[in-house]
Amino acid sequence: ILNVEQSPQSLHVQEGDSTNFTCSFPSSNFYALHWYRWETAKSPEALFVMTLNGDEKKKGRISATLNTKEGYSYLYIKGSQPEDSATYLCAFISAGGFKTIFGAGTRLFVKA
Amino acid sequence: DVKVTQSSRYLVKRTGEKVFLECVQDMDHENMFWYRQDPGLGLRLIYFSYDVKMKEKGDIPEGYSVSREKKERFSLILESASTNQTSMYLCASSSGQGAFGYTFGSGTRLTVV
Repeated sequence: ILNVEQSPQSLHVQEGDSTNFTCSFPSSNFYALHWYRWETAKSPEALFVMTLNGDEKKKGRISATLNTKEGYSYLYIKGSQPEDSATYLCAFISAGGFKTIFGAGTRLFVKA
Repeated sequence: DVKVTQSSRYLVKRTGEKVFLECVQDMDHENMFWYRQDPGLGLRLIYFSYDVKMKEKGDIPEGYSVSREKKERFSLILESASTNQTSMYLCASSSGQGAFGYTFGSGTRLTVV
Protein backbone atom coordinates (compact mmCIF):
# COMPACT_ATOMS: atom_id res chain seq x y z
CA ILE A 1 0.00 0.00 0.00
CA LEU A 2 1.44 3.34 -1.04
CA ASN A 3 1.48 5.85 1.79
CA VAL A 4 2.56 9.47 2.03
CA GLU A 5 3.14 10.93 5.47
CA GLN A 6 3.52 14.61 6.34
CA SER A 7 4.86 15.90 9.60
CA PRO A 8 4.08 17.73 11.69
CA GLN A 9 0.32 17.75 11.32
CA SER A 10 0.25 21.40 12.41
CA LEU A 11 2.73 24.04 13.35
CA HIS A 12 2.46 27.40 15.12
CA VAL A 13 5.30 29.87 14.61
CA GLN A 14 5.94 33.54 15.20
CA GLU A 15 6.38 36.01 12.37
CA GLY A 16 10.02 36.00 11.33
CA ASP A 17 10.68 32.40 12.37
CA SER A 18 12.06 30.00 9.83
CA THR A 19 10.39 26.64 9.67
CA ASN A 20 10.45 23.36 7.83
CA PHE A 21 8.30 20.31 7.44
CA THR A 22 8.64 16.85 5.98
CA CYS A 23 6.97 14.69 3.38
CA SER A 24 7.82 10.97 3.44
CA PHE A 25 6.95 8.78 0.50
CA PRO A 26 7.77 5.36 -0.98
CA SER A 27 11.39 5.15 -2.13
CA SER A 28 10.56 2.90 -5.07
CA ASN A 29 8.70 3.54 -8.30
CA PHE A 30 9.21 7.31 -8.03
CA TYR A 31 8.19 9.65 -10.82
CA ALA A 32 7.59 13.07 -9.25
CA LEU A 33 6.84 14.88 -6.01
CA HIS A 34 4.59 17.94 -5.84
CA TRP A 35 4.18 20.59 -3.17
CA TYR A 36 1.01 22.69 -2.96
CA ARG A 37 -0.04 25.57 -0.74
CA TRP A 38 -3.73 25.66 0.19
CA GLU A 39 -4.99 28.83 1.80
CA THR A 40 -8.41 28.85 3.40
CA ALA A 41 -11.20 29.56 0.90
CA LYS A 42 -8.79 29.40 -2.03
CA SER A 43 -7.62 26.77 -4.50
CA PRO A 44 -4.55 24.67 -3.71
CA GLU A 45 -1.70 26.32 -5.59
CA ALA A 46 1.24 24.41 -7.01
CA LEU A 47 4.56 25.42 -5.44
CA PHE A 48 7.02 22.89 -6.82
CA VAL A 49 7.16 19.88 -9.11
CA MET A 50 10.27 17.88 -8.32
CA THR A 51 11.54 14.97 -10.36
CA LEU A 52 15.25 14.39 -9.75
CA ASN A 53 17.01 13.06 -6.68
CA GLY A 54 18.88 15.93 -5.07
CA ASP A 55 16.58 18.53 -6.64
CA GLU A 56 16.41 21.83 -4.82
CA LYS A 57 13.75 24.35 -5.82
CA LYS A 58 13.18 27.87 -4.57
CA LYS A 59 10.34 30.35 -4.87
CA GLY A 60 10.92 33.53 -2.89
CA ARG A 61 11.28 32.58 0.77
CA ILE A 62 10.11 29.02 0.20
CA SER A 63 12.41 26.22 -0.88
CA ALA A 64 12.23 22.45 -1.14
CA THR A 65 14.65 19.56 -1.35
CA LEU A 66 14.14 16.03 -2.59
CA ASN A 67 15.75 12.71 -1.65
CA THR A 68 14.20 9.94 -3.72
CA LYS A 69 16.57 7.22 -2.49
CA GLU A 70 15.41 7.55 1.10
CA GLY A 71 11.92 8.80 0.26
CA TYR A 72 11.59 12.26 1.75
CA SER A 73 11.24 15.90 0.81
CA TYR A 74 11.64 18.96 3.03
CA LEU A 75 9.84 22.26 2.58
CA TYR A 76 11.53 25.29 4.15
CA ILE A 77 10.06 28.71 4.79
CA LYS A 78 12.52 31.43 5.69
CA GLY A 79 11.28 34.35 7.79
CA SER A 80 7.64 33.23 8.01
CA GLN A 81 4.96 35.86 7.43
CA PRO A 82 1.28 35.76 8.40
CA GLU A 83 0.39 35.36 4.73
CA ASP A 84 2.29 32.05 4.74
CA SER A 85 -0.44 30.62 6.96
CA ALA A 86 -1.90 27.75 4.95
CA THR A 87 -1.99 24.00 4.60
CA TYR A 88 0.99 22.63 2.70
CA LEU A 89 0.28 19.43 0.79
CA CYS A 90 2.72 17.07 -0.83
CA ALA A 91 1.80 14.54 -3.51
CA PHE A 92 3.80 11.51 -4.63
CA ILE A 93 3.45 10.50 -8.26
CA SER A 94 4.38 6.90 -9.03
CA ALA A 95 5.96 5.78 -12.28
CA GLY A 96 4.05 3.51 -14.62
CA GLY A 97 0.52 4.80 -14.42
CA PHE A 98 1.18 8.12 -12.67
CA LYS A 99 -0.86 7.27 -9.61
CA THR A 100 -0.97 10.26 -7.27
CA ILE A 101 -1.00 9.87 -3.50
CA PHE A 102 -1.52 12.99 -1.38
CA GLY A 103 -0.34 13.48 2.15
CA ALA A 104 -2.76 14.82 4.76
CA GLY A 105 -0.93 18.14 4.85
CA THR A 106 0.86 20.32 7.37
CA ARG A 107 -1.21 23.20 8.67
CA LEU A 108 0.99 26.24 9.31
CA PHE A 109 -0.14 29.14 11.50
CA VAL A 110 2.07 32.24 11.54
CA LYS A 111 1.31 34.71 14.30
CA ALA A 112 2.12 38.38 13.79
CA ASP B 1 -5.80 33.93 -15.53
CA VAL B 2 -6.40 30.26 -16.13
CA LYS B 3 -8.60 28.52 -13.70
CA VAL B 4 -10.84 25.73 -12.58
CA THR B 5 -14.24 26.88 -11.39
CA GLN B 6 -16.54 24.93 -9.09
CA SER B 7 -20.15 25.99 -9.15
CA SER B 8 -20.76 26.20 -5.40
CA ARG B 9 -18.58 27.06 -2.45
CA TYR B 10 -21.00 25.73 0.17
CA LEU B 11 -23.86 23.32 -0.26
CA VAL B 12 -26.29 21.79 2.22
CA LYS B 13 -28.39 18.85 1.07
CA ARG B 14 -30.72 16.36 2.69
CA THR B 15 -30.09 12.65 2.95
CA GLY B 16 -31.36 10.86 -0.13
CA GLU B 17 -31.19 13.87 -2.43
CA LYS B 18 -29.44 13.66 -5.78
CA VAL B 19 -26.59 16.16 -5.78
CA PHE B 20 -24.67 17.61 -8.71
CA LEU B 21 -21.28 19.24 -8.28
CA GLU B 22 -20.12 21.08 -11.37
CA CYS B 23 -16.59 21.88 -12.46
CA VAL B 24 -15.43 23.88 -15.47
CA GLN B 25 -11.85 24.49 -16.64
CA ASP B 26 -10.66 26.94 -19.27
CA MET B 27 -7.20 25.49 -19.95
CA ASP B 28 -8.17 22.94 -22.61
CA HIS B 29 -6.83 20.18 -20.34
CA GLU B 30 -7.63 16.61 -21.33
CA ASN B 31 -7.62 15.30 -17.77
CA MET B 32 -10.04 16.15 -15.00
CA PHE B 33 -10.34 14.77 -11.50
CA TRP B 34 -12.64 14.78 -8.49
CA TYR B 35 -11.13 14.47 -5.02
CA ARG B 36 -12.57 14.66 -1.54
CA GLN B 37 -10.71 15.93 1.47
CA ASP B 38 -11.51 14.89 5.03
CA PRO B 39 -9.75 15.92 8.24
CA GLY B 40 -6.55 13.98 8.87
CA LEU B 41 -6.61 12.32 5.46
CA GLY B 42 -4.92 13.16 2.19
CA LEU B 43 -6.97 14.04 -0.84
CA ARG B 44 -8.67 10.88 -2.07
CA LEU B 45 -9.50 10.34 -5.71
CA ILE B 46 -13.14 9.62 -6.49
CA TYR B 47 -13.21 9.60 -10.29
CA PHE B 48 -11.16 10.93 -13.15
CA SER B 49 -11.54 11.43 -16.87
CA TYR B 50 -8.91 11.45 -19.61
CA ASP B 51 -11.23 12.44 -22.41
CA VAL B 52 -14.76 13.48 -23.24
CA LYS B 53 -17.27 10.78 -22.36
CA MET B 54 -14.53 8.74 -20.73
CA LYS B 55 -14.37 8.03 -16.99
CA GLU B 56 -12.32 5.90 -14.66
CA LYS B 57 -12.95 4.97 -11.04
CA GLY B 58 -10.55 6.29 -8.49
CA ASP B 59 -9.93 4.94 -5.02
CA ILE B 60 -13.35 5.70 -3.49
CA PRO B 61 -16.00 5.70 -6.25
CA GLU B 62 -18.82 4.07 -4.25
CA GLY B 63 -21.90 6.26 -4.06
CA TYR B 64 -20.68 8.60 -6.81
CA SER B 65 -20.91 8.85 -10.57
CA VAL B 66 -19.54 11.38 -13.06
CA SER B 67 -20.35 12.90 -16.39
CA ARG B 68 -18.09 14.47 -18.99
CA GLU B 69 -20.07 15.53 -22.03
CA LYS B 70 -17.75 18.39 -22.95
CA LYS B 71 -14.00 18.72 -22.56
CA GLU B 72 -14.22 21.69 -20.22
CA ARG B 73 -16.88 20.33 -17.86
CA PHE B 74 -16.72 17.46 -15.39
CA SER B 75 -19.65 16.80 -13.09
CA LEU B 76 -19.73 14.74 -9.93
CA ILE B 77 -23.06 13.18 -9.03
CA LEU B 78 -24.13 11.85 -5.68
CA GLU B 79 -26.99 9.57 -6.62
CA SER B 80 -28.49 9.49 -3.12
CA ALA B 81 -26.61 11.68 -0.69
CA SER B 82 -25.68 10.23 2.66
CA THR B 83 -24.23 11.84 5.77
CA ASN B 84 -20.87 10.10 5.23
CA GLN B 85 -20.52 12.09 2.03
CA THR B 86 -20.26 15.30 4.00
CA SER B 87 -16.84 16.55 2.91
CA MET B 88 -14.81 19.08 0.96
CA TYR B 89 -14.84 18.23 -2.74
CA LEU B 90 -12.06 19.45 -5.00
CA CYS B 91 -12.03 19.40 -8.76
CA ALA B 92 -8.71 19.49 -10.63
CA SER B 93 -7.44 19.41 -14.16
CA SER B 94 -4.07 18.64 -15.72
CA SER B 95 -2.47 18.38 -19.11
CA GLY B 96 -0.59 15.15 -18.46
CA GLN B 97 -2.27 12.68 -16.09
CA GLY B 98 -1.33 14.92 -13.18
CA ALA B 99 2.37 14.06 -13.26
CA PHE B 100 3.35 17.65 -13.98
CA GLY B 101 0.99 19.26 -11.53
CA TYR B 102 -2.70 19.88 -11.04
CA THR B 103 -4.75 23.04 -11.24
CA PHE B 104 -7.43 22.93 -8.58
CA GLY B 105 -10.76 24.59 -8.06
CA SER B 106 -11.44 26.29 -4.74
CA GLY B 107 -13.58 23.44 -3.46
CA THR B 108 -17.18 22.77 -2.53
CA ARG B 109 -17.93 22.10 1.10
CA LEU B 110 -20.93 19.77 1.07
CA THR B 111 -22.93 19.06 4.18
CA VAL B 112 -25.52 16.29 4.07
CA VAL B 113 -28.08 16.49 6.86
